[in-house]
Amino acid sequence: SQKIEQNSEALNIQEGKTATLTCNYTNYSPAYLQWYRQDPGRGPVFLLLIRENEKEKRKERLKVTFDTTLKQSLFHITASQPADSATYLCAPPLDGRGSTLGRLYFGRGTQLTVWP
Amino acid sequence: DAGVTQSPTHLIKTRGQQVTLRCSPKSGHDTVSWYQQALGQGPQFIFQYYEEEERQRGNFPDRFSGHQFPNYSSELNVNALLLGDSALYLCASSRLETGGNEKLFFGSGTQLSVL
Repeated sequence: SQKIEQNSEALNIQEGKTATLTCNYTNYSPAYLQWYRQDPGRGPVFLLLIRENEKEKRKERLKVTFDTTLKQSLFHITASQPADSATYLCAPPLDGRGSTLGRLYFGRGTQLTVWP
Repeated sequence: DAGVTQSPTHLIKTRGQQVTLRCSPKSGHDTVSWYQQALGQGPQFIFQYYEEEERQRGNFPDRFSGHQFPNYSSELNVNALLLGDSALYLCASSRLETGGNEKLFFGSGTQLSVL
């Protein structure tokens, strides 16, 4: 069965460094991946979407890559700030190809803490 | 522009009871998806409503049911509550965008505790 794994449950880094979060998937080939941020007690907030034919996508201090050979997506936050502390979730479409819109398969997430 | 709103924010029920959660989608959105998020886990897809019909369903029992109204708002009903139903229930709205890969807008959720 298909499976999503995010690199670790928690990642602690110093302010100003680059945070790198990993999302690995097995047993299917998603057409795209979405990344969300979730703060405690709140719903996830969409950050970036990357398609299988895109190697890299950027938005301000955020960068996401998608390697279909390694079956992996990397999410980078450069010049990290304490305000970036949150849980980050990767989510491909549940059926892989995205034929059913809005139906996502979320990993457990990585809890990022940026300390001053 | 109001985002996705959910009510109530918190709810405490006992085993065997029934519960109804409500969701109003973001303005302009016509599709509502419901997710269950247990503590320490990612959200799990329950079902999706479009044009007042259940379009897709995840791996949840029939105790979980829903409804979508003509104004696109939606309800999630859970019957015969179990302790394991304790979770954050998230509503997400969306609309088809160019390319077909629309993003989800989530509400803040309803925290359900079953005692």
